[in-house]
Amino acid sequence: LAKTTQPISMDSYEGQEVNITCSHNNIATNDYITWYQQFPSQGPRFIIQGYKTKVTNEVASLFIPADRKSSTLSLPRVSLSDTAVYYCLVGDVEKGGGNKLTFGTGTQLKVEL
Amino acid sequence: SAVISQKPSRDICQRGTSLTIQCQVDSQVTMMFWYRQQPGQSLTLIATANQGSEATYESGFVIDKFPISRPNLTFSTLTVSNMSPEDSSIYLCSVPGLATNEQFFGPGTRLTVL
Repeated sequence: LAKTTQPISMDSYEGQEVNITCSHNNIATNDYITWYQQFPSQGPRFIIQGYKTKVTNEVASLFIPADRKSSTLSLPRVSLSDTAVYYCLVGDVEKGGGNKLTFGTGTQLKVEL
Repeated sequence: SAVISQKPSRDICQRGTSLTIQCQVDSQVTMMFWYRQQPGQSLTLIATANQGSEATYESGFVIDKFPISRPNLTFSTLTVSNMSPEDSSIYLCSVPGLATNEQFFGPGTRLTVL
């Protein structure tokens, strides 16, 4: 599985847009890019996943450039409840990577008033 | 989505003893996963449990230390054997979702070993 690099922590204020970038220089052709969110004392929760270009759902947007060596998770108008650790993962279910999730260090997002 | 429960939610144990953690899913699933999350750290996969076969352990984890049972398609147990303070962690189970790389996680079991 490709190694991912993301900032250890980020701070923001309520109502702002937050963008968390993840680097994955060794991403393979079949790899998908997946983001999880983890609140304290809870298991991680799947947020969004993409292969290329842009993906948007009710929670976030995921931007993936053409070379796919990085990706950006965008959280619009964050609130205090978005304070959590966000993990970027890269893997491919066809190779078994999708079933064996490898979590990196994650980014601790702190949202303040 | 799958609803996953774990028992116990937390426990404090003495070194040298063993604890069995239960994971119950509200639907039948072929694969279940067990992870460990040490204090302030990320998650590490311990093993993959398939119903009807031996669990597959990741590097650094062995069956004697973390025996796993998978008696049916909705249930699994992980035992942490001969515990030491280094085993103090949160243990989580998960099951695959429909999307690639999607997994649903249980709430975790917080284990403290004295």
